[in-house]
Parts: sequence; structure tokens; C-alpha cells
Amino acid sequence: AQSVTQLGSHVSVSEGALVLLRCNYSSSVPPYLFWYVQYPNQGLQLLLKYTSAATLVKGINGFEAEFKKSETSFHLTKPSAHMSDAAEYFCAVSDRGDEKLTFGTGTRLTIIP
Amino acid sequence: ETGVTQTPRHLVMGMTNKKSLKCEQHLGHNAMYWYKQSAKKPLELMFVYNFKEQTENNSVPSRFSPECPNSSHLFLHLHTLQPEDSALYLCASSQIQDSYNEQFFGPGTRLTVL
Repeated sequence: AQSVTQLGSHVSVSEGALVLLRCNYSSSVPPYLFWYVQYPNQGLQLLLKYTSAATLVKGINGFEAEFKKSETSFHLTKPSAHMSDAAEYFCAVSDRGDEKLTFGTGTRLTIIP
Repeated sequence: ETGVTQTPRHLVMGMTNKKSLKCEQHLGHNAMYWYKQSAKKPLELMFVYNFKEQTENNSVPSRFSPECPNSSHLFLHLHTLQPEDSALYLCASSQIQDSYNEQFFGPGTRLTVL
């Protein structure tokens, strides 16, 4: 069975600073990994996904994530935070061929002006 | 309409009421999902429908009853709910035939049980 751990339920960064949101996973088989973002009063929107092609994955809104098998990590980064990045971010994992996603508990990102 | 839509967006109901949540996907997908999102908890998968057949019931109480009449529509029928059932209920859809399961989410229904 797979699981996801997101370290830090709340992260605050200054506008223009680096954003780093951490995600570690466990899976018995090579996983698919996803980052979703949720803005207030909205559903989840896919930011990016890892599906065993390039280990560095680029997503929307300037976000990217790197799959590191040795560290079982899939951390989300953005070089320069923008006020519009304030939201909740969820990491998720699925086993190949499995219809189910397992989500982490989420990280709320606050941007300080 | 595009993507995944959910109605109503907000619902307040008493513990003795019966209500239904509706989800519709306009993406041609063959799988649909109900999730419960409560404060400070991970998203909880409730039900999965794959080609209209229920393939997952994640130990959900019987006061929640799903219905999937076709691959585009999914309902969640609610009766005799408890206050702890107050949450954001999210619907999602995906194309199972893809090698990975990218799910597309609706905006959710914010449910309050009094």
C-alpha cells in the first residue's frame, strides 16, 4: 500500500523568495506522483505529474518537482513566490494501473508581502 | 459547461433531511469518484465508479448512498446525517485506460449538517 507524507502543514515565504514544499512517499512498486493545488472555495487542480519519464517535471504557474527515488521524495519548488501562489498544496501517489490516488494531508502556503 | 461540475455548491441540512449531491463530467471519462475533505484530515476516498460499476466503497456509512446512472453523472444521496459529516465533498473523474490516473476535480459541495 502506498502512502504520502507532507512535512509542514503550513509554510510561509516572502514574495519573491523560493518556495519549497516537501513530499515523501512510500510505494511497493514504481509510483506515479502528482501535485495538486486548491485555491479557497475551489476543487483541486493538477499542477504537475511524474509518470516515469524525466525525473524533473515542470508544471503550471512556474512550479516544478524532482523525483528522487533514493530519497523517496517528490518535493515541489518555485524559484520566486507570487502572491497568487497562496493556496493549499497536496501531494498524491498512485500505483501503476491503480485507479486510486492516495493524498497527503496538504500544506497551506502563505505568501508574505 | 466544461470539466467537472457539482451542484449545489453549498448545502445546509438537518439530521433528518434527505438530500442529494450531483456531479457531472464533460470530459468523456470512464471513472468517477467521491471524496470527503474535512479540516486537518487527508482527502478521504469514499466511492469509485469504473465504467458505471462501483469498484470501491471505502467503509463508508450507509447513510451515504452513491448512484452512477451513466459514465457522465454521479450522485451522492444523503439521509440521516450526523454533524461530523459536515465537510467539503469533492467529485472527480479520470480516464482509467490511461497508464496513469490523472483525476480532474469539481469545485465541491460545502455541506453543513445541523
